[in-house]
Amino acid sequence: AQSVTQPDIHITVSEGASLELRCNYSYGATPYLFWYVQSPGQGLQLLLKYFSGDTLVQGIKGFEAEFKRSQSSFNLRKPSVHWSDAAEYFCAVDSNYQLIWGAGTKLIIKP
Amino acid sequence: GAGVSQSPSNKVTEKGKDVELRCDPISGHTALYWYRQSLGQGLEFLIYFQGNSAPDKSGLPSDRFSAERTGGSVSTLTIQRTQQEDSAVYLCASSPPVVSSSTNYGYTFGSGTRLTVV
Repeated sequence: AQSVTQPDIHITVSEGASLELRCNYSYGATPYLFWYVQSPGQGLQLLLKYFSGDTLVQGIKGFEAEFKRSQSSFNLRKPSVHWSDAAEYFCAVDSNYQLIWGAGTKLIIKP
Repeated sequence: GAGVSQSPSNKVTEKGKDVELRCDPISGHTALYWYRQSLGQGLEFLIYFQGNSAPDKSGLPSDRFSAERTGGSVSTLTIQRTQQEDSAVYLCASSPPVVSSSTNYGYTFGSGTRLTVV
């Protein structure tokens, strides 16, 4: 069965430090992959998506993610985090036009 | 409209009452989804509409939950005889008809309805 795993429930980084949020998926075919961000009390905003082609995708707010088929991973990165990046981040895979979600990773920024 | 609109943004109801939650998707988006997000939890799929096809109701947790989509646009999620465990944020999303282009395909979410059953 298709599944998405985000192994880190919480991650704490210092402002200005680099960030990597992990996402592993289980899917039989070529996946469509997404990262969403949810700020407290807000809805979900699409950060970036992967469909095919270049395995390094750029998103909004300075985020990028790299698709690695051999590792079944789609990790989200940012070279330097800002306090406004504190939020919960969700990875998802499109399975027949429905999204299979990871449990989310809560990002905490230390000043 | 420019985005997915959900109403009300907050709803407090007494246990046992019925509630209706509304979702107005992006114009032209044929697919519409309802999800539930309980406190501190991930997203739970509830129901999926695609055009005029029969909806996928496989995620509805009980027969107290139902949804309809009129005219292929606005959708209403109805919860009958609400229980305290129904308290959650209910999110609606819509997406374009087909994966014709990776540029425009994707799911756009509304801001959600926070339901509190007291």
